[in-house]
Amino acid sequence: GQQLNQSPQSMFIQEGEDVSMNCTSSSIFNTWLWYKQDPGEGPVLLIALYKAGELTSNGRLTAQFGITRKDSFLNISASIPSDVGIYFCAGSTSGTYKYIFGTGTRLKVLA
Amino acid sequence: TAGITQAPTSQILAAGRSMTLRCTQDMRHNAMYWYRQDLGLGLRLIHYSNTAGTTGKGEVPDGYSVSRANTDDFPLTLASAVPSQTSVYFCASSLEGRRNSPLHFGNGTRLTVT
Repeated sequence: GQQLNQSPQSMFIQEGEDVSMNCTSSSIFNTWLWYKQDPGEGPVLLIALYKAGELTSNGRLTAQFGITRKDSFLNISASIPSDVGIYFCAGSTSGTYKYIFGTGTRLKVLA
Repeated sequence: TAGITQAPTSQILAAGRSMTLRCTQDMRHNAMYWYRQDLGLGLRLIHYSNTAGTTGKGEVPDGYSVSRANTDDFPLTLASAVPSQTSVYFCASSLEGRRNSPLHFGNGTRLTVT
């Protein structure tokens, strides 16, 4: 079946540093989503990507849809304490109505 | 505020008992989903529904059943709970159109089966 590998599993960074994380798939996707989850809450959508090579920003967050359509990247610039949480990628192929999720990157920001 | 409402927020359930997790959305989304979240395994799809009246199996459907009598509600039932069903359960919805639309999640139900 389809697999999504997300890395790193966890990160400890200093406030103000930039963060990079990525997801790779064994299958080709036509949609990539990035979510953030805070403790005790559901995942919240950060960025949606629909086209290979697409680069999309949301404030200090930037995500890219890989050219091979098998990977995606999320960057956070100038991290702040409220960036703490778990970041998930999710991918889907056309018409399946089903998304596969990565196992998450747990981000901790040290003030 | 529009969105997805899940109930209960948390529950402790004895093994062998049945339970229904409720999910309601007011966004008129046609597709709805149930995921379970376990440490180290991320979110795994249990069941989904493309539209009212239809349902489908996800990655981990065994031990769970769903129904979709109308657009807004998508309950998940555990007929006879087992300890391995201890998890956090998330309901989600999306508006399917010409391309895959993002999932919108509820805040989850934390279930402990003893």
